[in-house]
Amino acid sequence: EAGVVQSPRYKIIEKKQPVAFWCNPISGHNTLYWYLQNLGQGPELLIRYENEEAVDDSQLPKDRFSAERLKGVDSTLKIQPAELGDSAVYLCASSLPGTDTQYFGPGTRLTVL
Amino acid sequence: KQEVTQIPAALSVPEGENLVLNCSFTDSAIYNLQWFRQDPGKGLTSLLLIQSSQREQTSGRLNASLDKSSGRSTLYIAASQPGDSATYLCAVNAGGTSYGKLTFGQGTILTVHP
Repeated sequence: EAGVVQSPRYKIIEKKQPVAFWCNPISGHNTLYWYLQNLGQGPELLIRYENEEAVDDSQLPKDRFSAERLKGVDSTLKIQPAELGDSAVYLCASSLPGTDTQYFGPGTRLTVL
Repeated sequence: KQEVTQIPAALSVPEGENLVLNCSFTDSAIYNLQWFRQDPGKGLTSLLLIQSSQREQTSGRLNASLDKSSGRSTLYIAASQPGDSATYLCAVNAGGTSYGKLTFGQGTILTVHP
């Protein structure tokens, strides 16, 4: 069974440019999470989806970050415009309904110059 | 606000040693606690999950304990191997309206040398 797929794996952009990350969760996993992980820190939740509904986006900086999960499967996280402080690893995870274990993708490492 | 702290930040041991990683959390009203492993450049892999009603979970050479009242969990690794080298993260799930929102510690970087 394929795991959580994320692309791209690495992205280097200049500040003020837009960037988008894509996540394909494990088949059948209705719950999808986006996390931000700064160097030397644990991940921090940005947004959680149940199917296509964002049920917790309280940690998402809505002035520059946006996310969508059309059709309740794939998801895209966007930053516009990117700032130097956005350099981090963006992780996507998914889980089955009614279960507690989250399965993580390899992440996208973003570098903003 | 839940805060999770892991001690030590880094640990280097010779192969074969038994070791303990520590995790503490400030709010004891948790739903469950998970231990994850993260290899460089990769995502997180769930190792053990302990529900709030449980005291410990075991998987192979790994044993995780939970003392909810004192806000502590430990991950015990027996007979460590070089392949155990990774960053170990603990995360608490608050449950309720915050179900699924994991609060992570900063991790313990483990190096097991031959």
